[in-house]
Amino acid sequence: AQRVTQPEKLLSVFKGAPVELKCNYSYSGSPELFWYVQYSRQRLQLLLRHISRESIKGFTADLNKGETSFHLKKPFAQEEDSAMYYCALSTRTYNNDMRFGAGTRLTVKP
Amino acid sequence: DTGVSQDPRHKITKRGQNVTFRCDPISEHNRLYWYRQTLGQGPEFLTYFQNEAQLEKSRLLSDRFSAERPKGSFSTLEIQRTEQGDSAMYLCASSYSVPGGRNTGELFFGEGSRLTVL
Repeated sequence: AQRVTQPEKLLSVFKGAPVELKCNYSYSGSPELFWYVQYSRQRLQLLLRHISRESIKGFTADLNKGETSFHLKKPFAQEEDSAMYYCALSTRTYNNDMRFGAGTRLTVKP
Repeated sequence: DTGVSQDPRHKITKRGQNVTFRCDPISEHNRLYWYRQTLGQGPEFLTYFQNEAQLEKSRLLSDRFSAERPKGSFSTLEIQRTEQGDSAMYLCASSYSVPGGRNTGELFFGEGSRLTVL
């Protein structure tokens, strides 16, 4: 069965510093990977997906199949990036098996 | 459309009581999902509907749990004979799936219904 691991529950950086939130997965096939974000007092929402190869709010994530990782990166963190970040994996066309990691709480200090 | 709405937002009940949560998805969405989230964990999949058909249930969904989506619009999640271990945030999400096509992976979540079983 697929599994998503986010090794850091808490991550704290200073404003302007680079940030990397780690995500590792286990699945033998070709998964689809996503990052979801939950800002304070807001609902969980999609941040980005690997198939889109896009940069959202300055964040990027590259799927590394060799290392089975999908780390989320941003070169210069902003205070408004403080939030809970969840890595998620799906193996099916209809994403009805979306599996989430335990999440990493990112705090960006001024 | 204000997005996915869930009701009630908070529910405190005594062990052994039944509770029901309601989810109203985004109107044009044909897929509806229920997740459960406990402290320190990510959302865990419970079940999902394609229109009114319940197509999959997780092993987490014991016999005390039942979900319905009678007209393919809103959904209810009922927990019978609640136990303290049922205390969690119950999240509903919806998405639009193109018939025969690939889902985008974007689930639109509600704010959740927090259940506390005393």
